[in-house]
Amino acid sequence: EADIYQTPRYLVIGTGKKITLECSQTMGHDKMYWYQQDPGMELHLIHYSYGVNSTEKGDLSSESTVSRIRTEHFPLTLESARPSHTSQYLCASSVPGTPREFFGPGTRLTVL
Amino acid sequence: GENVEQHPSTLSVQEGDSAVIKCTYSDSASNYFPWYKQELGKRPQLIIDIRSNVGEKKDQRIAVTLNKTAKHFSLHITETQPEDSAVYFCAASGPGGNTPLVFGKGTRLSVIA
Repeated sequence: EADIYQTPRYLVIGTGKKITLECSQTMGHDKMYWYQQDPGMELHLIHYSYGVNSTEKGDLSSESTVSRIRTEHFPLTLESARPSHTSQYLCASSVPGTPREFFGPGTRLTVL
Repeated sequence: GENVEQHPSTLSVQEGDSAVIKCTYSDSASNYFPWYKQELGKRPQLIIDIRSNVGEKKDQRIAVTLNKTAKHFSLHITETQPEDSAVYFCAASGPGGNTPLVFGKGTRLSVIA
Protein backbone atom coordinates (compact mmCIF):
# COMPACT_ATOMS: atom_id res chain seq x y z
CA GLU A 1 0.00 0.00 0.00
CA ALA A 2 1.33 3.46 -0.92
CA ASP A 3 2.18 5.27 2.30
CA ILE A 4 4.86 7.05 4.30
CA TYR A 5 6.77 4.88 6.76
CA GLN A 6 8.82 5.99 9.73
CA THR A 7 11.09 3.92 11.93
CA PRO A 8 11.49 3.57 14.78
CA ARG A 9 8.08 4.63 16.07
CA TYR A 10 9.40 5.10 19.60
CA LEU A 11 12.98 5.64 20.77
CA VAL A 12 14.52 6.30 24.18
CA ILE A 13 18.23 7.16 24.19
CA GLY A 14 20.85 8.80 26.40
CA THR A 15 22.32 12.26 26.01
CA GLY A 16 25.18 12.53 23.51
CA LYS A 17 24.12 9.59 21.32
CA LYS A 18 24.00 9.87 17.55
CA ILE A 19 20.70 8.75 16.07
CA THR A 20 19.11 8.46 12.64
CA LEU A 21 15.38 8.57 12.14
CA GLU A 22 14.24 6.79 9.00
CA CYS A 23 11.56 7.91 6.57
CA SER A 24 10.50 6.18 3.38
CA GLN A 25 7.58 6.79 1.06
CA THR A 26 6.12 4.60 -1.65
CA MET A 27 3.83 7.29 -3.06
CA GLY A 28 6.11 8.44 -5.88
CA HIS A 29 6.44 11.89 -4.32
CA ASP A 30 9.45 14.07 -5.14
CA LYS A 31 9.29 16.49 -2.21
CA MET A 32 9.88 15.38 1.38
CA TYR A 33 9.92 17.22 4.71
CA TRP A 34 10.83 16.76 8.38
CA TYR A 35 8.86 18.49 11.15
CA GLN A 36 9.32 18.57 14.91
CA GLN A 37 6.13 18.72 16.97
CA ASP A 38 5.43 18.50 20.68
CA PRO A 39 2.12 16.59 20.97
CA GLY A 40 -0.76 18.69 19.63
CA MET A 41 1.38 21.78 19.37
CA GLU A 42 2.90 23.86 16.58
CA LEU A 43 4.63 22.16 13.61
CA HIS A 44 8.25 23.29 13.14
CA LEU A 45 9.90 22.64 9.75
CA ILE A 46 13.40 21.19 10.23
CA HIS A 47 14.55 20.25 6.72
CA TYR A 48 13.06 19.64 3.29
CA SER A 49 14.09 18.24 -0.06
CA TYR A 50 12.75 18.72 -3.57
CA GLY A 51 14.52 15.71 -5.03
CA VAL A 52 17.63 13.55 -5.05
CA ASN A 53 20.73 15.44 -3.85
CA SER A 54 18.59 18.46 -2.92
CA THR A 55 18.23 19.51 0.73
CA GLU A 56 17.18 22.79 2.34
CA LYS A 57 17.13 23.99 5.94
CA GLY A 58 13.98 24.95 7.78
CA ASP A 59 13.51 26.80 11.04
CA LEU A 60 15.11 24.27 13.43
CA SER A 61 17.85 22.78 11.27
CA SER A 62 21.00 23.72 13.17
CA GLU A 63 21.24 20.56 15.27
CA SER A 64 20.44 17.96 12.63
CA THR A 65 21.33 16.86 9.11
CA VAL A 66 19.51 15.09 6.30
CA SER A 67 20.42 13.33 3.08
CA ARG A 68 18.47 12.46 -0.07
CA ILE A 69 20.31 9.82 -2.03
CA ARG A 70 17.19 7.97 -3.17
CA THR A 71 13.85 9.50 -4.09
CA GLU A 72 11.91 7.40 -1.61
CA HIS A 73 14.24 7.75 1.39
CA PHE A 74 14.89 10.86 3.55
CA PRO A 75 16.70 10.08 6.83
CA LEU A 76 17.22 12.64 9.62
CA THR A 77 20.34 12.46 11.82
CA LEU A 78 20.94 14.03 15.22
CA GLU A 79 24.71 14.04 15.78
CA SER A 80 24.50 14.46 19.58
CA ALA A 81 21.11 14.05 21.17
CA ARG A 82 20.09 16.33 24.05
CA PRO A 83 17.03 16.32 26.35
CA SER A 84 15.75 19.38 24.42
CA HIS A 85 15.39 17.07 21.39
CA THR A 86 12.66 15.13 23.18
CA SER A 87 9.68 15.50 20.87
CA GLN A 88 7.77 13.88 18.03
CA TYR A 89 9.35 13.93 14.57
CA LEU A 90 7.02 13.82 11.58
CA CYS A 91 8.09 13.08 8.03
CA ALA A 92 5.92 14.27 5.13
CA SER A 93 5.93 14.16 1.35
CA SER A 94 3.99 15.99 -1.32
CA VAL A 95 2.54 15.22 -4.71
CA PRO A 96 4.70 16.39 -7.65
CA GLY A 97 3.70 19.86 -8.77
CA THR A 98 1.57 20.59 -5.70
CA PRO A 99 2.25 21.62 -2.09
CA ARG A 100 -0.31 19.07 -0.79
CA GLU A 101 1.60 17.35 2.02
CA PHE A 102 0.91 13.92 3.51
CA PHE A 103 2.37 12.93 6.86
CA GLY A 104 3.93 9.77 8.19
CA PRO A 105 2.98 8.29 11.59
CA GLY A 106 5.86 9.96 13.41
CA THR A 107 8.75 8.94 15.67
CA ARG A 108 8.40 9.79 19.34
CA LEU A 109 11.90 10.49 20.70
CA THR A 110 12.85 10.71 24.36
CA VAL A 111 16.38 11.78 25.30
CA LEU A 112 17.32 11.10 28.92
CA GLY B 1 8.27 35.22 3.93
CA GLU B 2 4.78 33.95 4.59
CA ASN B 3 3.25 34.24 8.06
CA VAL B 4 0.02 32.46 9.05
CA GLU B 5 -1.99 33.48 12.12
CA GLN B 6 -4.70 31.13 13.45
CA HIS B 7 -7.53 31.87 15.90
CA PRO B 8 -8.78 30.81 18.33
CA SER B 9 -6.16 28.58 19.95
CA THR B 10 -8.86 26.63 21.78
CA LEU B 11 -12.55 26.23 21.01
CA SER B 12 -15.29 24.36 22.87
CA VAL B 13 -18.71 23.76 21.32
CA GLN B 14 -21.76 21.73 22.19
CA GLU B 15 -22.44 18.70 20.06
CA GLY B 16 -24.59 19.71 17.10
CA ASP B 17 -23.40 23.32 17.07
CA SER B 18 -21.13 24.83 14.42
CA ALA B 19 -17.43 25.59 14.82
CA VAL B 20 -15.45 28.21 12.92
CA ILE B 21 -11.66 28.54 12.86
CA LYS B 22 -10.04 31.51 11.16
CA CYS B 23 -6.62 32.08 9.62
CA THR B 24 -4.91 35.07 8.08
CA TYR B 25 -1.87 35.05 5.81
CA SER B 26 0.61 37.74 4.86
CA ASP B 27 1.86 36.88 1.35
CA SER B 28 -0.65 37.92 -1.30
CA ALA B 29 1.10 35.51 -3.74
CA SER B 30 0.04 32.46 -1.69
CA ASN B 31 -2.46 30.43 -3.64
CA TYR B 32 -3.03 27.12 -1.81
CA PHE B 33 -4.70 26.78 1.59
CA PRO B 34 -5.12 23.34 3.20
CA TRP B 35 -6.60 22.34 6.54
CA TYR B 36 -5.31 19.43 8.59
CA LYS B 37 -6.93 17.55 11.46
CA GLN B 38 -4.76 15.86 14.07
CA GLU B 39 -6.39 13.52 16.54
CA LEU B 40 -4.65 12.65 19.78
CA GLY B 41 -1.62 10.49 19.13
CA LYS B 42 -2.18 10.46 15.36
CA ARG B 43 -0.57 12.09 12.35
CA PRO B 44 -2.04 15.29 10.79
CA GLN B 45 -4.55 14.37 8.09
CA LEU B 46 -5.53 16.63 5.19
CA ILE B 47 -9.29 17.18 5.43
CA ILE B 48 -9.96 19.91 2.87
CA ASP B 49 -8.03 22.39 0.76
CA ILE B 50 -8.78 25.36 -1.46
CA ARG B 51 -6.94 27.21 -4.17
CA SER B 52 -7.00 30.96 -4.67
CA ASN B 53 -9.18 30.79 -7.77
CA VAL B 54 -12.07 29.44 -5.66
CA GLY B 55 -13.99 31.29 -2.94
CA GLU B 56 -15.61 28.37 -1.16
CA LYS B 57 -15.41 24.58 -1.07
CA LYS B 58 -17.59 22.09 0.78
CA ASP B 59 -17.26 18.44 1.71
CA GLN B 60 -20.20 17.12 3.70
CA ARG B 61 -20.09 18.86 7.11
CA ILE B 62 -16.92 20.84 6.49
CA ALA B 63 -16.38 23.89 4.32
CA VAL B 64 -13.58 26.35 3.71
CA THR B 65 -14.02 29.95 2.60
CA LEU B 66 -11.31 32.22 1.21
CA ASN B 67 -11.22 36.02 1.04
CA LYS B 68 -8.20 36.94 -1.05
CA THR B 69 -8.70 40.67 -0.62
CA ALA B 70 -8.59 40.43 3.15
CA LYS B 71 -6.06 37.56 3.06
CA HIS B 72 -8.02 35.30 5.35
CA PHE B 73 -9.61 31.88 5.12
CA SER B 74 -11.84 29.95 7.48
CA LEU B 75 -12.84 26.38 8.30
CA HIS B 76 -16.50 25.77 9.08
CA ILE B 77 -17.70 22.55 10.69
CA THR B 78 -21.46 22.11 10.98
CA GLU B 79 -23.41 19.68 13.17
CA THR B 80 -20.30 18.94 15.23
CA GLN B 81 -19.84 15.46 16.67
CA PRO B 82 -17.52 14.21 19.45
CA GLU B 83 -15.24 12.65 16.82
CA ASP B 84 -14.57 16.16 15.47
CA SER B 85 -12.55 16.83 18.65
CA ALA B 86 -8.95 17.30 17.53
CA VAL B 87 -6.31 19.91 16.81
CA TYR B 88 -6.85 21.67 13.48
CA PHE B 89 -4.06 23.37 11.53
CA CYS B 90 -4.41 25.79 8.64
CA ALA B 91 -1.56 26.38 6.20
CA ALA B 92 -0.63 28.46 3.18
CA SER B 93 1.73 27.95 0.27
CA GLY B 94 3.15 30.24 -2.36
CA PRO B 95 2.71 29.97 -6.13
CA GLY B 96 4.16 27.10 -8.13
CA GLY B 97 3.92 24.55 -5.33
CA ASN B 98 7.67 24.88 -4.74
CA THR B 99 7.67 26.33 -1.27
CA PRO B 100 6.92 24.37 1.93
CA LEU B 101 3.61 24.92 3.62
CA VAL B 102 3.58 27.53 6.37
CA PHE B 103 1.34 26.32 9.19
CA GLY B 104 -0.72 28.17 11.75
CA LYS B 105 -0.16 27.26 15.39
CA GLY B 106 -3.28 25.13 15.63
CA THR B 107 -6.73 25.22 17.23
CA ARG B 108 -7.74 22.63 19.81
CA LEU B 109 -11.44 21.89 19.23
CA SER B 110 -13.44 20.12 21.91
CA VAL B 111 -16.97 18.97 21.11
CA ILE B 112 -18.94 18.44 24.31
CA ALA B 113 -21.59 15.75 24.19
